[in-house]
Amino acid sequence: GEEVAQTPKHLVRGEGQKAKLYCAPIKGHSYVFWYQQVLKNEFKFLISFQNENVFDETGMPKERFSAKCLPNSPCSLEIQATKLEDSAVYFCASSQSWQGANYGYTFGSGTRLTVV
Amino acid sequence: AQKVTQAQTEISVVEKEDVTLDCVYETRDTTYYLFWYKQPPSGELVFLIRRNSFDEQNEISGRYSWNFQKSTSSFNFTITASQVVDSAVYFCAHTGSARQLTFGSGTQLTVLP
Repeated sequence: GEEVAQTPKHLVRGEGQKAKLYCAPIKGHSYVFWYQQVLKNEFKFLISFQNENVFDETGMPKERFSAKCLPNSPCSLEIQATKLEDSAVYFCASSQSWQGANYGYTFGSGTRLTVV
Repeated sequence: AQKVTQAQTEISVVEKEDVTLDCVYETRDTTYYLFWYKQPPSGELVFLIRRNSFDEQNEISGRYSWNFQKSTSSFNFTITASQVVDSAVYFCAHTGSARQLTFGSGTQLTVLP
């Protein structure tokens, strides 16, 4: 399809619970990126993949966050033992190249995670 | 390190007015890419434009135009004859050797009828 599909749209977790977010990139896009949007306007890069390989994970808080992109499956972002500060909208984006060639990065509609 | 500054936090205009959103970036890269995204109240991020550092040609797409000036490290966005549907948060972003998007803090544009 021509859209990046993120599920679920909303997720509520109690502090300490696990959260798992999914992202199906556009077919033919080799790169997948995860960003966290907090306080409405602040974006933080988390991790990127080139196909199933980690491309850049410099933004990942590794103690509790993990991510995978396996062949023939949606990519996933998992947060173990969620904290209140993890409350944010998590966006996934896909692209044909890491530079966002041709039509830029296509973003999904996001998953709003609320930790209570 | 890259940095993108959108100094205008909020702008309010009346329909049909022209409005310019400013974007200033800092980078040590010689090859880099600049973007504008629109985030309407529904929350999704809509791609508007991508420009590489070697192409300083201004671009026009309908009511939208972009002015890229390397000399001042600016990539400004102008909406001509604004409409209520243009109301959104607009983000400028940069990518380069860091291989990840650095976003500005966004400009909330409100177009009043």
